[in-house]
Amino acid sequence: DTAVSQTPKYLVTQMGNDKSIKCEQNLGHDTMYWYKQDSKKFLKIMFSYNNKELIINETVPNRFSPKSPDKAHLNLHINSLELGDSAVYFCASSHSGGLQETQYFGPGTRLLVL
Amino acid sequence: KNEVEQSPQNLTAQEGEFITINCSYSVGISALHWLQQHPGGGIVSLFMLSSGKKKHGRLIATINIQEKHSSLHITASHPRDSAVYICAVRPDYGGSQGNLIFGKGTKLSVKP
Repeated sequence: DTAVSQTPKYLVTQMGNDKSIKCEQNLGHDTMYWYKQDSKKFLKIMFSYNNKELIINETVPNRFSPKSPDKAHLNLHINSLELGDSAVYFCASSHSGGLQETQYFGPGTRLLVL
Repeated sequence: KNEVEQSPQNLTAQEGEFITINCSYSVGISALHWLQQHPGGGIVSLFMLSSGKKKHGRLIATINIQEKHSSLHITASHPRDSAVYICAVRPDYGGSQGNLIFGKGTKLSVKP
């Protein structure tokens, strides 16, 4: 019973394509996040949603559009993929996004743009 | 300069050694997290600290809020502890959903 799951695990695609990564959590959490881990293994927040509403949108190109159909899901759609989008994308969730809460991470989606 | 700095960047130890990984940060925080990223890529939350010390098995995490410093200790290290250990802080600005700021990680290799 995976707490935070992501699909697909691996994604290889051509430049210019549009792709989506899905994330689901079965923990009953209100807050979900997307993180990007670059080739140097540096993690950075991209988005945070609380109860389907966008809370944080860091400096991310508008080619990236998160969508939260319900509070258990936060999907990431990427338009016009570029080489620099190649990275590992992690989804995470926490109970209510409070300042002192543990975040639970998904297994990651390894995206390679050719 | 990153707001969260970890040292060392890489660490090689012999099985059984006592290991310390350090994290310094430059912002006011409400909490500090230690995460473990396995060689396969998965990330697991080890500790969340806002003061003092926490222990879980062979892992101990401490934080000194005044000095803006935290340490992660591993006692009796084992090859299965080989992973990247990441320090992350939650700033105390930005409202209740302030984002985590991550260090660049410490890659630990424990040799048998």
